Amino acid sequence: DAGVIQSPRHEVTEMGQEVTLRCKPISGHNSLFWYRQTMMRGLELLIYFNNNVPIDDSGMPEDRFSAKMPNASFSTLKIQPSEPRDSAVYFCASSFGGESNQPQHFGDGTRLSIL
Amino acid sequence: RKEVEQDPGPFNVPEGATVAFNCTYSNSASQSFFWYRQDCRKEPKLLMSVYSSGNEDGRFTAQLNRASQYISLLIRDSKLSDSATYLCVVKAGAGSYQLTFGKGTKLSVIP
Repeated sequence: DAGVIQSPRHEVTEMGQEVTLRCKPISGHNSLFWYRQTMMRGLELLIYFNNNVPIDDSGMPEDRFSAKMPNASFSTLKIQPSEPRDSAVYFCASSFGGESNQPQHFGDGTRLSIL
Repeated sequence: RKEVEQDPGPFNVPEGATVAFNCTYSNSASQSFFWYRQDCRKEPKLLMSVYSSGNEDGRFTAQLNRASQYISLLIRDSKLSDSATYLCVVKAGAGSYQLTFGKGTKLSVIP
């Protein structure tokens, strides 16, 4: 079975550029999560979607970050303009029923470096 | 106090050793608990859920102490392949979607 699919795996770009990260959740999962992981702060939830609707975006650091989920099989996280402090690994995860005890399954992540 | 706190390690143990990790959490309303494993430069993967009565999965045993708000993971007969970072994960009460991750404990199993 296909797991959560993220692209790109790696992204290196100059500050000020727009960055778009993509995620395809596991088919049938109705909850999708975007996380950011850094050495200093660990794993942080950025935004949570349920049935394609953003439920909690309180973790999005600033207006430069935005996320969309136009349908059940695709989500994007966009950073515009990007800054060096945005460098991190960004994970997408999905589950069946965000509020249930079903585990979250993570994608391979996008390793983002902003120069 | 951090929401989920773990000893970062590293724990360096020989093959065959038994090693234990502890984790404390601050939210007394937390209902669900998990251990995730994360290999270097990889994604977190669910290792096991932690149940109130304690549970075992092969060489791995997880325990929960609600009164003291801590969770433990015991690994017996350590294998080289157990080398990874172990993340303690806590979910708040019923109806909550948010997982709170500890920063992880790094384990290196040495030949």
